[in-house]
Parts: sequence; C-alpha cells; structure tokens
Amino acid sequence: GDSVTQMEGPVTLSEEAFLTINCTYTATGYPSLFWYVQYPGEGLQLLLKATKADDKGSNKGFEATYRKETTSFHLEKGSVQVSDSAVYFCALIEEKLVFGKGTKLTVNP
Amino acid sequence: GAVVSQHPSRVICKSGTSVKIECRSLDFQATTMFWYRQFPKQSLMLMATSNEGSKATYEQGVEKDKFLINHASLTLSTLTVTSAHPEDSSFYICSGTSQGVGYTFGSGTRLTVV
Repeated sequence: GDSVTQMEGPVTLSEEAFLTINCTYTATGYPSLFWYVQYPGEGLQLLLKATKADDKGSNKGFEATYRKETTSFHLEKGSVQVSDSAVYFCALIEEKLVFGKGTKLTVNP
Repeated sequence: GAVVSQHPSRVICKSGTSVKIECRSLDFQATTMFWYRQFPKQSLMLMATSNEGSKATYEQGVEKDKFLINHASLTLSTLTVTSAHPEDSSFYICSGTSQGVGYTFGSGTRLTVV
C-alpha cells in the first residue's frame, strides 16, 4: 500500500539556519503530495502541496519539489525562524490521505 | 478559513470507562469527517471515515464496537472510546472536508487511560 517515510526528528536549528526535512513515498499511481504543519496546541494546517511531477509547492518561505524519479518531496527553507518551531508531516493522497510520522523542528534564537 | 474545533484537548480516564471526543466544523459544513490516531513516533493512521447521516466506514483492524463514531449533523462528529484500556492511550485527531474545502484538521485530543 501507499506509504510515506520522512526523516526522524527531533531537529534543532539556530535561527537563520537552512532546513531540509527529507520525505520519500511509495505509491501505486501518481499521488498528490503535501506538507502539513502543526504548531503547538493547534491542528494540522496545510503548508504546501504539489499535484504532479516537477511541481514546486511553496509557502511562507518553505519549498518542496515533486520528484517522481526519486519519489521524494523534501521540504526546504533557506532561513528558519523561531516561529517555524512545529511538527511537520509529509503526506500523500491517492485513495486516502497517508501521513509520515512527523518531524519535530525546534528553532532556537 | 475553514476551522474544526476539537474537544477536549487532553483527557485522562480510568480503565473501563468511556470517553467522548467532539469535533465541530465552525464555518463550513463537513460532509465527511475522518478520524485518525497517532501512537508515539508513528504516523497518523486513519481509523474511520464518516459521512453525515451514514454509518462510519472503519479501516481494517479498527474495532467499530469500541470506537463509536457519530456524524449526525454537518457540523458535529463524535468519537466515543468505549471501555477504554491503557492500550487505547493515543493522540486522536479529526479532519473535516466538504466540496471545495480541503482537509481541515482539529487540534487533536491526547487520551491517557490509567
């Protein structure tokens, strides 16, 4: 079945550092790919998405490119802020939404 | 934007008792509600899908008699964990969706059964 594997955390960075959270997937067809973010005490929020190969999703300085050849959708941000501290979930959807385990990011000032 | 309010955020209950978790869609009508659970260091796993006015569809391995889902209105869905045991301790989260509305998640409920 479909699955999502993302790098295990926790990840701790200093402010303005570069962020990469790796995500790879297994799917039978051509899924849409998502990154969700969960800030402390809040629900999951859609951060960005890509619906086909080579699409780049972007939002709030975060980017991820749908790489079909490597079945990857790595999340990147050039300069993280303290306010980016949250748990990040990679997900895909074919018949249903399938999540990775989540990666907790802590950004220190 | 669309908001789903989930309560309670944390609950501790004694083994053998039942716990109800509520999810309300505040500014849209959720025709479909999904219920997930997440064990520590695991993915969010879909437990069941419910459409307003219909019986929920449970994923394989999820006991429908233990996890009672009610979706009687377009703005309210509830999950009742019956006769809870320590192994039911987990993080439960709902997600509502409707035509033109993407997945909108509640803030989750941390259930601890002692």
